[in-house]
Amino acid sequence: NAGVTQTPKFQVLKTGQSMTLQCAQDMNHEYMSWYRQDPGMGLRLIHYSVGAGITDQGEVPNGYNVSRSTTEDFPLRLLSAAPSQTSVYFCASSYSIQGGQPQHFGDGTRLSIL
Amino acid sequence: AQKITQTQPGMFVQEKEAVTLDCTYDTSDPSYGLFWYKQPSSGEMIFLIYQGSYDQQNATEGRYSLNFQKARKSANLVISASQLGDSAMYFCAMRDEMTNTGNQFYFGTGTSLTVIP
Repeated sequence: NAGVTQTPKFQVLKTGQSMTLQCAQDMNHEYMSWYRQDPGMGLRLIHYSVGAGITDQGEVPNGYNVSRSTTEDFPLRLLSAAPSQTSVYFCASSYSIQGGQPQHFGDGTRLSIL
Repeated sequence: AQKITQTQPGMFVQEKEAVTLDCTYDTSDPSYGLFWYKQPSSGEMIFLIYQGSYDQQNATEGRYSLNFQKARKSANLVISASQLGDSAMYFCAMRDEMTNTGNQFYFGTGTSLTVIP
């Protein structure tokens, strides 16, 4: 069971560079989300998707783009990296928004912007 | 407005003792879910327990239980018989289940629990 797979696990970028964080899930989940985790701030929602072709902004969307062309994949793009985007990024997915369906998380991507 | 508040940045507990991690929440949605996650030093997020707003009884999962006080809007996690492996960050999260079409979870800032041998 792969669950939610994030790549890469670590990345160092220079200011102004762009990159894509990959997220894939094999559980046929409709709902997928991207969070960033910063010290003392918990997890904050960047973007989310309720199904293929449908995405929306979360709490901190600036500087990031997403797309959802398939149910399985939900990549996060940093358009022009800034030091403020140094963080740990988590992708999550869930089957339903009802009941006790939790979000399943990937192992995270540690991103440093120099 | 902060939807989830965890007021204990760090907690210590003696091995084999019980510990309560506090969580208060804010929502106007009549239907919502409350979740607790554990994040060990290795970094992954592990789902522990869920409480629905309409559930009559407090949720339990093994050594974990959720002390749900709806009128006070609190959802405290109780860990009984603490073990060294319980040392981790613990996050409380909430999901509005009627108005939230995007399955957005709101997380607290976490509590760092250290179990002392």
